[in-house]
Amino acid sequence: TQLLEQSPQFLSIQEGENLTVYCNSSSVFSSLQWYRQEPGEGPVLLVTVVTGGEVKKLKRLTFQFGDARKDSSLHITAAQPGDTGLYLCAGQNIYNQGGKLIFGQGTELSVKP
Amino acid sequence: EPEVTQTPSHQVTQMGQEVILRCVPISNHLYFYWYRQILGQKVEFLVSFYNNEISEKSEIFDDQFSVERPDGSNFTLKIRSTKLEDSAMYFCASSEGGIGYLAYNEQFFGPGTRLTVL
Repeated sequence: TQLLEQSPQFLSIQEGENLTVYCNSSSVFSSLQWYRQEPGEGPVLLVTVVTGGEVKKLKRLTFQFGDARKDSSLHITAAQPGDTGLYLCAGQNIYNQGGKLIFGQGTELSVKP
Repeated sequence: EPEVTQTPSHQVTQMGQEVILRCVPISNHLYFYWYRQILGQKVEFLVSFYNNEISEKSEIFDDQFSVERPDGSNFTLKIRSTKLEDSAMYFCASSEGGIGYLAYNEQFFGPGTRLTVL
């Protein structure tokens, strides 16, 4: 069974600080997707990383896929209160496990003004 | 922007009753999924559906669960006899591509249905 461990589970920081969220597994994924989820709503797709070592940027958010495609990170620069929310990583292994997404437990981010 | 919609947003039912959760996937998508999230826990895969049949299902998706695409737009999840432990948020998702199309398929989620079993 493939598992994704996300850390930290909770993060409370001041506006303007930088932060990194980690997503780790002992298994290889063919892709990894990052979502953001607001309370009472569905996950909203932020980005998909596919190639080992790939880096994608979305404004102040930088996503990286590990070289071995077993881990990923999300780095936020100069966090703002609007970044507050639950961030989820989800791995997918198209070749062995079809299209299902395996989710991490999420990182609850709170950015205080 | 196209989006996945789900109804109802909240369903309260008595244990043992049947419930049907409804989803309208994005119109040109071909692959459909149901996930659930028990309060405070991870989002868990239930089932995937393509070409009018189940592609894959998890251990959670036992004989009490079924899925159907009754027409060209709706995708439903039926729970025949609900249990207390079925209380959760149920999310429908859809994707344009699937296995063999690319090394990934990006899935877009609906807002969820909160199921409360009393």
